[in-house]
Amino acid sequence: ILNVEQSPQSLHVQEGDSTNFTCSFPSSNFYALHWYRWETAKSPEALFVMTLNGDEKKKGRISATLNTKEGYSYLYIKGSQPEDSATYLCAFDAGNQFYFGTGTSLTVIP
Amino acid sequence: SAVISQKPSRDICQRGTSLTIQCQVDSQVTMMFWYRQQPGQSLTLIATANQGSEATYESGFVIDKFPISRPNLTFSTLTVSNMSPEDSSIYLCSVLGGGTDTQYFGPGTRLTVL
Repeated sequence: ILNVEQSPQSLHVQEGDSTNFTCSFPSSNFYALHWYRWETAKSPEALFVMTLNGDEKKKGRISATLNTKEGYSYLYIKGSQPEDSATYLCAFDAGNQFYFGTGTSLTVIP
Repeated sequence: SAVISQKPSRDICQRGTSLTIQCQVDSQVTMMFWYRQQPGQSLTLIATANQGSEATYESGFVIDKFPISRPNLTFSTLTVSNMSPEDSSIYLCSVLGGGTDTQYFGPGTRLTVL
């Protein structure tokens, strides 16, 4: 079983603040790194699929970076809004299976 | 992307009983995956369900406890058998997205075992 760690476990920020979370994963057997947003009672929503070292992806106010050599990815949210409140999951893709972190629970306070 | 529905969305069950969770996809897919997330834990793969063959179970999960059916390319069921409180989890099904290498998930079934 591969170890994928996310930090922090939970986070409360004020509306308008920018924030970031970390996903750490093994640097070997890397195929891709996935980020998901999971709102309560809804399906986890795919945000990014990242495959190349140095990748940067952006979707609106959310962006992510990838460092496969040192085994980490950052997710950034600029100007947080209450609708950003969710659990953010990362998944290490070894090519034949996904290994998920425990997630970062974000609460944006209006 | 695929649209996936699950039934039931939540249930509260008694110890020793069984619950069958249904997963329906809006397109034909070869592989479907079943995950669970126990409280405070990560999403963990239970098994991969292929149409026309037996499911492949991950270490720590057995067919007697989690029997899976895959009668066609758009539907699968997972049964949680002889439940105990430790089975209280969110159970999700997923499929691979064509050409994107990502997985698409159902909304999950929140199970509480008393």
